[in-house]
Amino acid sequence: SQTIHQWPATLVQPVGSPLSLECTVEGTSNPNLYWYRQAAGRGLQLLFYSVGIGQISSEVPQNLSASRPQDRQFILSSKKLLLSDSGFYLCAWDKTGTQPQHFGDGTRLSIL
Amino acid sequence: RKEVEQDPGPFNVPEGATVAFNCTYSNSASQSFFWYRQDCRKEPKLLMSVYSSGNEDGRFTAQLNRASQYISLLIRDSKLSDSATYLCVVIYSGGYQKVTFGTGTKLQVIP
Repeated sequence: SQTIHQWPATLVQPVGSPLSLECTVEGTSNPNLYWYRQAAGRGLQLLFYSVGIGQISSEVPQNLSASRPQDRQFILSSKKLLLSDSGFYLCAWDKTGTQPQHFGDGTRLSIL
Repeated sequence: RKEVEQDPGPFNVPEGATVAFNCTYSNSASQSFFWYRQDCRKEPKLLMSVYSSGNEDGRFTAQLNRASQYISLLIRDSKLSDSATYLCVVIYSGGYQKVTFGTGTKLQVIP
């Protein structure tokens, strides 16, 4: 069966520090991968998605970036975090063909 | 008009009540529909798919109305554990897959 792992679960970072969140999927090949952010009490905001290795599409301009160095690995990064980057970050995967998405446990990021 | 719209609620209902949520979508070519459940400070989890003919899973019934472009979720005999935010998801696949989440409807079941 397929599983998705996301870490860390919780992260507290100072303003201006770098960020690296990692997500890996097991049990499938060539998944679509997604990064979402959810601010407190708000809906899901799609940040990036990838349909293959090295392919990244950005949905909103921001100081975050994403990379997909391997088929089942998706990384969210920032060189300098802002206070507004606080939130709940979720990685998800699916397979093209109208299948539902499955989410990792999420990373709760607090910027101080 | 938003691509996917939901009433944010909250819907406060007593235990045992029946409650229904609707979710409207704007792209008539959308092909797949799902309901997710999200507990506070947790990730969304797939609750059920929505099929054209309607489908039922225990106390939960999902329906799709393509003509009016909405999906619905009916919960019968509400339990305290049903308290959560319910997200609808609409998928369009036309050369690329576009997945759109609603902002969710909050349900609070009261003892």
